[in-house]
Amino acid sequence: SQQGEEDPQALSIQEGENATMNCSYKTSINNLQWYRQNSGRGLVHLILIRSNEREKHSGRLRVTLDTSKKSSSLLITASRAADTASYFCATDAYNQGGKLIFGQGTELSVKP
Amino acid sequence: SQTIHQWPATLVQPVGSPLSLECTVEGTSNPNLYWYRQAAGRGLQLLFYSVGIGQISSEVPQNLSASRPQDRQFILSSKKLLLSDSGFYLCAWSVNRGEPQHFGDGTRLSIL
Repeated sequence: SQQGEEDPQALSIQEGENATMNCSYKTSINNLQWYRQNSGRGLVHLILIRSNEREKHSGRLRVTLDTSKKSSSLLITASRAADTASYFCATDAYNQGGKLIFGQGTELSVKP
Repeated sequence: SQTIHQWPATLVQPVGSPLSLECTVEGTSNPNLYWYRQAAGRGLQLLFYSVGIGQISSEVPQNLSASRPQDRQFILSSKKLLLSDSGFYLCAWSVNRGEPQHFGDGTRLSIL
């Protein structure tokens, strides 16, 4: 069964706007990670948030984690056309022996 | 710094032909290594992972196999390709399980 589910599946915004993507999961986790994938390329790790953390920042990225709701959100502020990509959450769940379970991704399009 | 190389970038093979995809990592020792398959517009499916030379764990029963003949080399193989083996294959490494993974640029495999 799918551990991470992203919402929305696709998001289209104008340059300068903020983009928010959500991820829900089913079982207890050690950490949750966000990745970015440009079309036809490999994934790039963006940020990791541990189960005892509630918020992390990295540049224009802000990640929150609510373990009571089993959900996380990725906020990209002041988006740029270069942010156009697919974004995936991945969970390191307690019962998965350290394997990451990836969601289906959110396809973000930022229009100039 | 660490780098991961994956080749070839694209491959077109007839049904029933063999397959060998190679992945090598530089700049680190004893990495955890992973093979994923990504269907179009979908998330990643973990196929195999390895925590050391000769140690391979298979996640999904299938037509594929993996080998790790050297510490930083991970090979994905098939004796006879099926149409359903088409997809985007990604190799990744991490220092430890559950930690951020670093991906190669993938191989686009088309079966005719």
